[in-house]
Amino acid sequence: GENVEQHPSTLSVQEGDSAVIKCTYSDSASNYFPWYKQELGKRPQLIIDIRSNVGEKKDQRIAVTLNKTAKHFSLHITETQPEDSAVYFCAASISWGAQKLVFGQGTRLTINP
Amino acid sequence: DGGITQSPKYLFRKEGQNVTLSCEQNLNHDAMYWYRQDPGQGLRLIYYSQIVNDFQKGDIAEGYSVSREKKESFPLTVTSAQKNPTAFYLCASTTGGGVQETQYFGPGTRLLVL
Repeated sequence: GENVEQHPSTLSVQEGDSAVIKCTYSDSASNYFPWYKQELGKRPQLIIDIRSNVGEKKDQRIAVTLNKTAKHFSLHITETQPEDSAVYFCAASISWGAQKLVFGQGTRLTINP
Repeated sequence: DGGITQSPKYLFRKEGQNVTLSCEQNLNHDAMYWYRQDPGQGLRLIYYSQIVNDFQKGDIAEGYSVSREKKESFPLTVTSAQKNPTAFYLCASTTGGGVQETQYFGPGTRLLVL
């Protein structure tokens, strides 16, 4: 089955700098890659997603890139702010009717003022 | 995500007891999912259902059971066979139409063992 690896497990950056989180997946049939942000004690919230027919997607300060050949995708956050501090999860899925997400282990991002 | 509700918010289980977590959605979605999240870990799929009266095991189904008698409801029972049930349980739903669609989560139930 699918396996998703996420790095780094913790990341600390200065406010205003950029943060990059990387994920690799094992199943070349995966075609949907969402990123979730989870604050302490809360549910994961979708922040951006990308589909396999697209190489890059951007939404204000957040962007995601996908390299299908290398089977990896990355989250880029620019101009980081204290409210970006949270745990971020990547996931991958193959959509055949039901969409079974396989998650990475998470990255704890801390923005230092 | 406002269309998915879970209850209770906290649940305590005694040794050898079965407990049931509720998940309801008013989004008219066909597919529903249960995930488990351990502290400091990602989510793992327990069970999913694509249609009423049908469900499939996910990656960690042992010690759990589900039912799907109604489209809007997908309860999860944590049985006494689940030896380490302490976790955050999250329910989600999608239309199940086979397209790549966003999966939103309910607010979750935190299960603790007494």
